[in-house]
Amino acid sequence: ETGVTQTPRHLVMGMTNKKSLKCEQHLGHNAMYWYKQSAKKPLELMFVYNFKEQTENNSVPSRFSPECPNSSHLFLHLHTLQPEDSALYLCASSQGTSGGADTQYFGPGTRLTVL
Amino acid sequence: GQNIDQPTEMTATEGAIVQINCTYQTSGFNGLFWYQQHAGEAPTFLSYNVLDGLEEKGRFSSFLSRSKGYSYLLLKELQMKDSASYLCAVVDSNYQLIWGAGTKLIIKP
Repeated sequence: ETGVTQTPRHLVMGMTNKKSLKCEQHLGHNAMYWYKQSAKKPLELMFVYNFKEQTENNSVPSRFSPECPNSSHLFLHLHTLQPEDSALYLCASSQGTSGGADTQYFGPGTRLTVL
Repeated sequence: GQNIDQPTEMTATEGAIVQINCTYQTSGFNGLFWYQQHAGEAPTFLSYNVLDGLEEKGRFSSFLSRSKGYSYLLLKELQMKDSASYLCAVVDSNYQLIWGAGTKLIIKP
């Protein structure tokens, strides 16, 4: 496989469920990102990992818990979500050498619906 | 605060030319990106401008004026497959990426 892959592509969950989103990059990059994308809003950066270390957490509620076991894999663990958390969750990766000036390569996203 | 403005939606005709504008107010500037995102798909890189001027890549060109806090993406010879959202993003002085809300481009035959 090439590029950035995400699973599942679609997820429907109740507010009491626990689920995880998975992201994998095959580009040899060192930085990985989680974004939330809601309709007609700018991309919201949630977490950044560089060389497996979390370098950014943009005041994300604790019901979202990231995990980065190595530079190729990134998870987002979800629990006790709210309906307003329904959105497209995008994973991205980059070289990790120039911060925001790196070109980011995105996965296709997970469409999450919280009932 | 930091702000990126771009039109919410634009409509153009197949074969024509369209210009998508992006204005920004950020704390410092270290470059501007344009990404394309088809519905239900990943955003994909189109261009990166850090110096003033026009950069051309096939049917797509991107222009930057740092003094005016302004960029545009120019799409020529529009094709139906160009129907997508176009995202503008600016790298600020802390190398944080500030995103606009995107412009949805609708191409009509």
